[in-house]
Amino acid sequence: DTEVTQTPKHLVMGMTNKKSLKCEQHMGHRAMYWYKQKAKKPPELMFVYSYEKLSINESVPSRFSPECPNSSLLNLHLHALQPEDSALYLCASSQAQGATGNTIYFGEGSWLTVV
Amino acid sequence: EDQVTQSPEALRLQEGESSSLNCSYTVSGLRGLFWYRQDPGKGPEFLFTLYSAGEEKEKERLKATLTKKESFLHITAPKPEDSATYLCAVQDPRAAGNKLTFGGGTRVLVKP
Repeated sequence: DTEVTQTPKHLVMGMTNKKSLKCEQHMGHRAMYWYKQKAKKPPELMFVYSYEKLSINESVPSRFSPECPNSSLLNLHLHALQPEDSALYLCASSQAQGATGNTIYFGEGSWLTVV
Repeated sequence: EDQVTQSPEALRLQEGESSSLNCSYTVSGLRGLFWYRQDPGKGPEFLFTLYSAGEEKEKERLKATLTKKESFLHITAPKPEDSATYLCAVQDPRAAGNKLTFGGGTRVLVKP
């Protein structure tokens, strides 16, 4: 079983809604990630937090807003999304960002449908 | 830009029919090559990390090997439960934060 827990597993939201995806890890990792995955495509990196600070933003639209309240928690706030934002959103963590051979562990994902 | 290419895109096997998946990469100064298994609708599950050419790792019916330009994932006597998409990713030392670059994946279907 994965030690990265994501909630909710499924989310349907309208284009004017505000919702949040949540992620928690209990492995003592200091780097946390958000990835987006469309059907039959590999995961695409969105954001990286290292020691609770945003270190990488892969030019993600501002309608996605990440937050790292502490070293175990990661949120993704969603507002005014478009139908094309429907995807599987994956949270991941690793011991440290940038370390050689730094294994990234993924959660089960949150399925987002924007209607 | 670094490329990670997986082949074949899809693989249909009979139960017990061994085969290999390929992951070729162009990144220089590789710091790690990762294999993941992903079941439909779920997050990728970590399988192996390989660091240097000649390295091999095994887990149950899976064996991963690494050369200077490619990695192979061998599936020996597969069972239907081995059906999944297998993703490889390389750690790019030149990218910010040693970002992972993923291949497109190989979808494996093992029929009983």
